[in-house]
Amino acid sequence: DVKVTQSSRYLVKRTGEKVFLECVQDMDHENMFWYRQDPGLGLRLIYFSYDVKMKEKGDIPEGYSVSREKKERFSLILESASTNQTSMYLCASSLFGSEAEAFFGQGTRLTVV
Amino acid sequence: AQSVTQLDSQVPVFEEAPVELRCNYSSSVSVYLFWYVQYPNQGLQLLLKYLSGSTLVESINGFEAEFNKSQTSFHLRKPSVHISDTAEYFCAVSVNTQGGSEKLVFGKGTKLTVNP
Repeated sequence: DVKVTQSSRYLVKRTGEKVFLECVQDMDHENMFWYRQDPGLGLRLIYFSYDVKMKEKGDIPEGYSVSREKKERFSLILESASTNQTSMYLCASSLFGSEAEAFFGQGTRLTVV
Repeated sequence: AQSVTQLDSQVPVFEEAPVELRCNYSSSVSVYLFWYVQYPNQGLQLLLKYLSGSTLVESINGFEAEFNKSQTSFHLRKPSVHISDTAEYFCAVSVNTQGGSEKLVFGKGTKLTVNP
Protein backbone atom coordinates (compact mmCIF):
# COMPACT_ATOMS: atom_id res chain seq x y z
CA ASP A 1 0.00 0.00 0.00
CA VAL A 2 1.57 3.24 -1.17
CA LYS A 3 1.94 5.97 1.35
CA VAL A 4 2.73 9.65 1.62
CA THR A 5 2.84 10.76 5.22
CA GLN A 6 2.74 14.32 6.46
CA SER A 7 4.03 14.79 9.97
CA SER A 8 1.09 16.82 11.32
CA ARG A 9 -2.62 17.06 10.47
CA TYR A 10 -3.09 20.33 12.35
CA LEU A 11 -0.56 22.97 13.34
CA VAL A 12 -0.92 26.35 15.03
CA LYS A 13 2.05 28.72 14.91
CA ARG A 14 2.71 32.34 15.80
CA THR A 15 3.55 35.09 13.33
CA GLY A 16 7.28 35.27 12.74
CA GLU A 17 8.01 31.69 13.76
CA LYS A 18 10.05 29.40 11.53
CA VAL A 19 7.82 26.47 10.56
CA PHE A 20 8.81 23.06 9.21
CA LEU A 21 6.34 20.80 7.41
CA GLU A 22 7.64 17.30 6.84
CA CYS A 23 6.63 14.77 4.20
CA VAL A 24 7.83 11.19 3.77
CA GLN A 25 7.02 8.74 0.96
CA ASP A 26 7.73 5.03 0.91
CA MET A 27 7.43 4.42 -2.85
CA ASP A 28 10.96 5.36 -3.98
CA HIS A 29 9.49 8.15 -6.12
CA GLU A 30 11.78 10.65 -7.79
CA ASN A 31 9.35 13.58 -7.78
CA MET A 32 7.95 15.26 -4.69
CA PHE A 33 5.70 18.31 -4.52
CA TRP A 34 4.31 20.82 -2.06
CA TYR A 35 0.95 22.38 -2.86
CA ARG A 36 -1.14 24.89 -1.03
CA GLN A 37 -4.96 24.52 -1.12
CA ASP A 38 -7.26 27.46 -0.47
CA PRO A 39 -11.04 27.67 -1.01
CA GLY A 40 -11.86 28.86 -4.51
CA LEU A 41 -8.22 28.78 -5.60
CA GLY A 42 -7.68 25.05 -5.97
CA LEU A 43 -4.18 23.64 -5.59
CA ARG A 44 -1.23 25.91 -6.24
CA LEU A 45 2.28 24.54 -6.53
CA ILE A 46 4.81 26.02 -4.11
CA TYR A 47 7.95 23.99 -4.85
CA PHE A 48 8.85 20.61 -6.21
CA SER A 49 11.87 18.35 -6.34
CA TYR A 50 12.84 15.82 -9.00
CA ASP A 51 15.88 14.39 -7.22
CA VAL A 52 17.80 14.61 -3.98
CA LYS A 53 19.03 18.17 -3.44
CA MET A 54 17.31 19.31 -6.66
CA LYS A 55 14.38 21.69 -6.59
CA GLU A 56 12.34 23.98 -8.79
CA LYS A 57 10.10 26.86 -7.88
CA GLY A 58 6.42 26.45 -8.47
CA ASP A 59 3.83 29.16 -8.95
CA ILE A 60 3.91 30.70 -5.46
CA PRO A 61 7.36 30.17 -3.88
CA GLU A 62 7.60 33.52 -2.09
CA GLY A 63 7.97 33.12 1.67
CA TYR A 64 8.80 29.41 1.40
CA SER A 65 11.87 27.24 0.97
CA VAL A 66 12.34 23.47 0.72
CA SER A 67 14.87 20.82 1.57
CA ARG A 68 15.40 17.35 0.13
CA GLU A 69 18.41 15.67 1.69
CA LYS A 70 17.07 12.14 1.26
CA LYS A 71 14.97 10.70 -1.54
CA GLU A 72 12.05 9.80 0.69
CA ARG A 73 11.76 13.09 2.59
CA PHE A 74 10.75 16.55 1.39
CA SER A 75 10.44 19.44 3.83
CA LEU A 76 8.64 22.73 3.38
CA ILE A 77 9.99 25.63 5.41
CA LEU A 78 8.20 28.86 6.22
CA GLU A 79 11.09 31.15 7.11
CA SER A 80 8.94 33.64 9.01
CA ALA A 81 5.32 32.61 9.19
CA SER A 82 2.66 35.19 8.36
CA THR A 83 -1.11 35.09 8.71
CA ASN A 84 -1.57 34.93 4.93
CA GLN A 85 0.18 31.56 5.01
CA THR A 86 -2.71 30.08 6.95
CA SER A 87 -3.82 27.29 4.63
CA MET A 88 -4.02 23.57 3.90
CA TYR A 89 -0.68 22.20 2.71
CA LEU A 90 -0.58 19.03 0.60
CA CYS A 91 2.48 16.96 -0.18
CA ALA A 92 2.57 14.59 -3.15
CA SER A 93 5.01 12.26 -4.85
CA SER A 94 5.25 10.56 -8.24
CA LEU A 95 7.56 8.65 -10.51
CA PHE A 96 9.31 10.42 -13.40
CA GLY A 97 7.16 10.84 -16.48
CA SER A 98 4.24 12.98 -17.57
CA GLU A 99 1.89 10.01 -17.33
CA ALA A 100 2.75 9.24 -13.74
CA GLU A 101 0.07 9.36 -11.09
CA ALA A 102 0.67 11.64 -8.11
CA PHE A 103 0.03 10.25 -4.62
CA PHE A 104 -1.03 12.71 -1.96
CA GLY A 105 -0.67 12.92 1.78
CA GLN A 106 -3.59 13.73 4.07
CA GLY A 107 -2.66 17.38 4.32
CA THR A 108 -1.53 19.70 7.10
CA ARG A 109 -3.89 22.46 8.12
CA LEU A 110 -1.65 25.30 9.28
CA THR A 111 -3.02 28.25 11.20
CA VAL A 112 -0.75 31.24 11.80
CA VAL A 113 -1.95 33.52 14.58
CA ALA B 1 1.56 28.24 -20.15
CA GLN B 2 -0.68 25.26 -19.72
CA SER B 3 -3.83 25.91 -17.72
CA VAL B 4 -6.99 24.15 -16.65
CA THR B 5 -10.44 25.71 -16.28
CA GLN B 6 -13.19 24.07 -14.30
CA LEU B 7 -16.31 25.91 -15.27
CA ASP B 8 -18.43 25.17 -12.20
CA SER B 9 -17.26 25.74 -8.66
CA GLN B 10 -20.27 23.96 -7.13
CA VAL B 11 -22.67 21.37 -8.52
CA PRO B 12 -25.63 20.23 -6.39
CA VAL B 13 -27.58 17.21 -7.62
CA PHE B 14 -30.08 14.72 -6.27
CA GLU B 15 -29.18 11.11 -5.66
CA GLU B 16 -29.47 8.87 -8.74
CA ALA B 17 -29.42 11.87 -11.11
CA PRO B 18 -26.75 12.15 -13.84
CA VAL B 19 -23.94 14.64 -13.43
CA GLU B 20 -21.30 16.29 -15.63
CA LEU B 21 -18.33 18.20 -14.25
CA ARG B 22 -16.72 20.33 -16.92
CA CYS B 23 -13.01 20.80 -17.56
CA ASN B 24 -11.21 22.66 -20.33
CA TYR B 25 -7.46 22.87 -20.82
CA SER B 26 -5.18 25.07 -22.88
CA SER B 27 -3.84 23.23 -25.87
CA SER B 28 -0.39 21.74 -26.24
CA VAL B 29 1.48 19.27 -28.42
CA SER B 30 0.78 16.30 -26.21
CA VAL B 31 -1.68 16.19 -23.36
CA TYR B 32 -1.94 14.00 -20.31
CA LEU B 33 -5.12 14.69 -18.35
CA PHE B 34 -6.26 13.59 -14.92
CA TRP B 35 -9.25 13.78 -12.62
CA TYR B 36 -8.59 13.62 -8.88
CA VAL B 37 -11.17 13.40 -6.09
CA GLN B 38 -10.90 14.73 -2.56
CA TYR B 39 -13.34 13.36 0.02
CA PRO B 40 -13.92 15.49 3.15
CA ASN B 41 -10.84 15.74 5.39
CA GLN B 42 -8.71 13.64 3.08
CA GLY B 43 -5.95 14.12 0.53
CA LEU B 44 -6.49 13.81 -3.20
CA GLN B 45 -6.66 10.47 -4.96
CA LEU B 46 -6.62 9.63 -8.65
CA LEU B 47 -10.03 8.95 -10.19
CA LEU B 48 -9.02 8.42 -13.82
CA LYS B 49 -6.54 9.59 -16.43
CA TYR B 50 -6.16 10.00 -20.17
CA LEU B 51 -2.73 9.29 -21.65
CA SER B 52 -3.41 8.10 -25.20
CA GLY B 53 -5.59 5.70 -27.18
CA SER B 54 -9.32 5.55 -26.54
CA THR B 55 -10.75 8.97 -25.81
CA LEU B 56 -13.20 7.54 -23.28
CA VAL B 57 -11.70 6.51 -19.95
CA GLU B 58 -13.51 4.97 -17.00
CA SER B 59 -13.02 4.65 -13.27
CA ILE B 60 -13.91 1.68 -11.09
CA ASN B 61 -16.78 3.53 -9.38
CA GLY B 62 -18.79 4.43 -12.47
CA PHE B 63 -17.29 7.76 -13.51
CA GLU B 64 -16.09 8.31 -17.06
CA ALA B 65 -14.39 11.15 -18.89
CA GLU B 66 -14.02 11.86 -22.58
CA PHE B 67 -10.98 13.53 -24.10
CA ASN B 68 -12.09 15.90 -26.86
CA LYS B 69 -9.12 17.39 -28.66
CA SER B 70 -11.10 19.77 -30.88
CA GLN B 71 -12.98 21.20 -27.89
CA THR B 72 -9.91 20.98 -25.60
CA SER B 73 -12.16 19.42 -23.00
CA PHE B 74 -12.04 16.51 -20.56
CA HIS B 75 -15.48 16.48 -18.92
CA LEU B 76 -16.27 14.03 -16.14
CA ARG B 77 -19.64 12.25 -16.13
CA LYS B 78 -21.59 9.75 -14.09
CA PRO B 79 -25.05 8.50 -15.17
CA SER B 80 -26.36 8.01 -11.62
CA VAL B 81 -24.69 9.51 -8.53
CA HIS B 82 -24.70 8.31 -4.92
CA ILE B 83 -24.55 10.22 -1.66
CA SER B 84 -21.02 8.84 -1.26
CA ASP B 85 -19.89 10.72 -4.41
CA THR B 86 -20.10 13.98 -2.47
CA ALA B 87 -16.57 15.37 -2.73
CA GLU B 88 -14.44 17.96 -4.47
CA TYR B 89 -13.19 17.02 -7.94
CA PHE B 90 -10.05 18.43 -9.54
CA CYS B 91 -9.06 18.31 -13.18
CA ALA B 92 -5.31 18.44 -13.88
CA VAL B 93 -2.90 18.47 -16.80
CA SER B 94 0.73 17.32 -16.76
CA VAL B 95 3.22 19.88 -18.05
CA ASN B 96 6.95 19.80 -18.64
CA THR B 97 9.15 22.09 -16.58
CA GLN B 98 12.22 24.13 -17.42
CA GLY B 99 14.36 21.67 -15.51
CA GLY B 100 13.25 18.76 -17.67
CA SER B 101 10.86 17.30 -15.12
CA GLU B 102 7.08 17.42 -15.08
CA LYS B 103 4.40 18.77 -12.77
CA LEU B 104 0.63 18.76 -12.47
CA VAL B 105 -1.34 21.96 -13.01
CA PHE B 106 -4.75 21.81 -11.33
CA GLY B 107 -8.05 23.52 -11.93
CA LYS B 108 -9.77 25.30 -9.07
CA GLY B 109 -12.00 22.36 -8.28
CA THR B 110 -15.71 21.55 -8.42
CA LYS B 111 -17.60 20.69 -5.25
CA LEU B 112 -20.17 18.02 -5.99
CA THR B 113 -22.93 17.73 -3.41
CA VAL B 114 -25.33 14.83 -3.76
CA ASN B 115 -28.58 15.35 -1.89
CA PRO B 116 -31.07 12.63 -0.89
